[in-house]
Amino acid sequence: QVQLQESGPGLVKPSETLSLTCTVSGYSISSGYYWGWIRQSPGKGLEWIGSIYHSGSTYYNPSLKSRVTLSVDTSKNQFSLKLSSVTAADTAVYYCARDVSFDHWGQGTLVTVAS
Amino acid sequence: EIVLTQSPGTLSLSPGERATLSCRASQSVISSYLAWYQQKPGQAPRLLIYGASDRATGIPDRFSGSGSGTDFTLTISRLEPEDFAVYYCQQYGSSPYTFGQGTKLEIK
Repeated sequence: QVQLQESGPGLVKPSETLSLTCTVSGYSISSGYYWGWIRQSPGKGLEWIGSIYHSGSTYYNPSLKSRVTLSVDTSKNQFSLKLSSVTAADTAVYYCARDVSFDHWGQGTLVTVAS
Repeated sequence: EIVLTQSPGTLSLSPGERATLSCRASQSVISSYLAWYQQKPGQAPRLLIYGASDRATGIPDRFSGSGSGTDFTLTISRLEPEDFAVYYCQQYGSSPYTFGQGTKLEIK
């Protein structure tokens, strides 16, 4: 079955870059689908960040677009998120999921922005 | 961006009862690209319904979705104890994808 697992630092300092990786098992990213990132914070609920195809084609939430970079590594069956210039408002649980209606999710990883 | 408004905010019912959750969009959702998710504490959301009315794999038939345009409904015909959770709607017809604020279904 399709499984996703997020990994990355749980604590990031303000103004730095948040970096997370999602490792997919049970399905080859190269076989299709977009792959997305969603975050959840108490203040803003669920927020879609952006999605990427195995070819590297991306689309982003305009509210975050200037700070977000998505990338994919098909050889490792992984895709990644970078969010720059983070503030406390970026503190959230970050999920990766298979797009478009998100039918498979990772367990989520809490990222706290604090000095 | 399409704003999704869910109602009620909290729904208090007993096991065996019928639950009706509403999701209203600020503009028409393209091709009924509307999904419903269930989330329990400490867990990721779980896809229940996509395309407004299609059940995801493994979802019991007591869950059903309906609606089109701007008004959508999730119905749980007979509540089981494991159904008490938070439910979210999401539209994926227009970018940016957006989610509703959630309806908490609690045991009465």
